[in-house]
Amino acid sequence: DIQMTQSPSSVSASVGDRVTISCRASQDISRWLAWYQQKPGKAPKLLIYAASSLQSGVPSRFSGSGSGTDFTLTISSLQPEDFAVYYCQQANSFPPWTFGQGTKVEIK
Amino acid sequence: QVQLVQSGAEVKKPGSSVKVSCKASGGTFSSYAISWVRQAPGQSLEWMGGIISILGTTNYAQKFQGRVTITADESTSSAYMELSSLTSEDTAVYYCAKGSPAMDYWGQGTLVTVSS
Repeated sequence: DIQMTQSPSSVSASVGDRVTISCRASQDISRWLAWYQQKPGKAPKLLIYAASSLQSGVPSRFSGSGSGTDFTLTISSLQPEDFAVYYCQQANSFPPWTFGQGTKVEIK
Repeated sequence: QVQLVQSGAEVKKPGSSVKVSCKASGGTFSSYAISWVRQAPGQSLEWMGGIISILGTTNYAQKFQGRVTITADESTSSAYMELSSLTSEDTAVYYCAKGSPAMDYWGQGTLVTVSS
């Protein structure tokens, strides 16, 4: 199985800050990567697919980049509703699809 | 707009089985993939398997092979996930989600608690 490793595990930031989250795959997954946001007690929400394509309805302050084994999710200007846990998921080698361990974005 | 509504919380004894349902509305149920993903308390997400009913295909994570069965009923636009030989380590929220590999619509989750 492909292992997905996110860093950092948590980040403290203030409203308006730029936040970047990294995700590394254990092998080349081309651009087959998705990002999700999860708030407490809620189901995950798809933000980004194919590494950099913004899901319909997701604010443009979210962006994704990368290919191969290294990927980044960027929130350009953190908003109060963005405090959540973010997961990456590889979509290249199946089965299984695998997720990172998550990155918690907390209020500073 | 697709909506996925899951069955309610379950409490099960070790060694028993659980069957969780996921009813879809909107879209063409038979044409899209339904995945099942679980999340143990405080843990990350774990893909268990999926089904594309129009193709009649299912795929399972090797970890759950032989213990999980995913089915679909096109007549009711519903998918089902049955997990057998439950242990305390199966205590988790179980989600159905539309799409594979990127999952764009999710059910609300079903808490399954395994306890003696």
